Amino acid sequence: NAGVMQNPRHLVRRRGQEARLRCSPMKGHSHVYWYRQLPEEGLKFMVYLQKENIIDESGMPKERFSAEFPKEGPSILRIQQVVRGDSAAYFCASSRNTNEQFFGPGTRLTVL
Amino acid sequence: AQKITQTQPGMFVQEKEAVTLDCTYDTSDPSYGLFWYKQPSSGEMIFLIYQGSYDQQNATEGRYSLNFQKARKSANLVISASQLGDSAMYFCAMRVPDSNYQLIWGAGTKLIIKP
Repeated sequence: NAGVMQNPRHLVRRRGQEARLRCSPMKGHSHVYWYRQLPEEGLKFMVYLQKENIIDESGMPKERFSAEFPKEGPSILRIQQVVRGDSAAYFCASSRNTNEQFFGPGTRLTVL
Repeated sequence: AQKITQTQPGMFVQEKEAVTLDCTYDTSDPSYGLFWYKQPSSGEMIFLIYQGSYDQQNATEGRYSLNFQKARKSANLVISASQLGDSAMYFCAMRVPDSNYQLIWGAGTKLIIKP
C-alpha cells in the first residue's frame, strides 16, 4: 500500500508564475489536509478537503491560493502569481476518517 | 484558542542518554489528540506516537514514550537510549474536533545527538 504521494518534490517558479502542487492520498483515504511550513517553523494548516468538497479553508490566504480534490485524481493546491513569500515546504496529509494523518514527503517551492 | 508550545528550540544530547522534549498545549475541548512527529534533514514528516485525551495510560512505541500529564496540559516526548539517527527536528501537534480535525503544531525542537 503506497503512502501519500506528492509531486513534484521540488518546484522552482519565478515571481508571477503559477505553481500547481499535487497530492495523491493513500488508498482508501478520502480526507486530505494541506499544510505549509515556512523555514525554521512548524506546520500551519491551510485547507481540509474531502472528495469534491472543501470542508475547511480557514488557513488559506484569501487571494491567489485555491485547492481542490476532484472525484477522480489527486488533490491540487494551486498558487497563482507566486511571490517570494510563498517559498516554503507544502505538505499534504491524508486520513481514512478523522484519525491519524499520514504525511507525504512534501513539495519544496522556491520562488525566484 | 488552541495552542501548542515547545519551549526548547534546540538540544544537544550525548548518544545513549535519554532525552525529554517538552510540549505543553492549551485547549478547552475535552476531547483531543496529541502527536509527535520527527522531521529529519531530508524533510519528510514521520509519525512517532499518539496520545488521546481519554487514554488512561501513557503511549509507548519502542524507544518513544509520551509523558502525558493532563492536569498540567503537558505531553513530553521521551526518547530512551538516544542514537545518532535521532538527530532531527521534533514537532508536537494537537488535533481537536472543533478545528475540523486539523493539526495544530508547535514550533519544533532541534535535537542533535553527539557521538
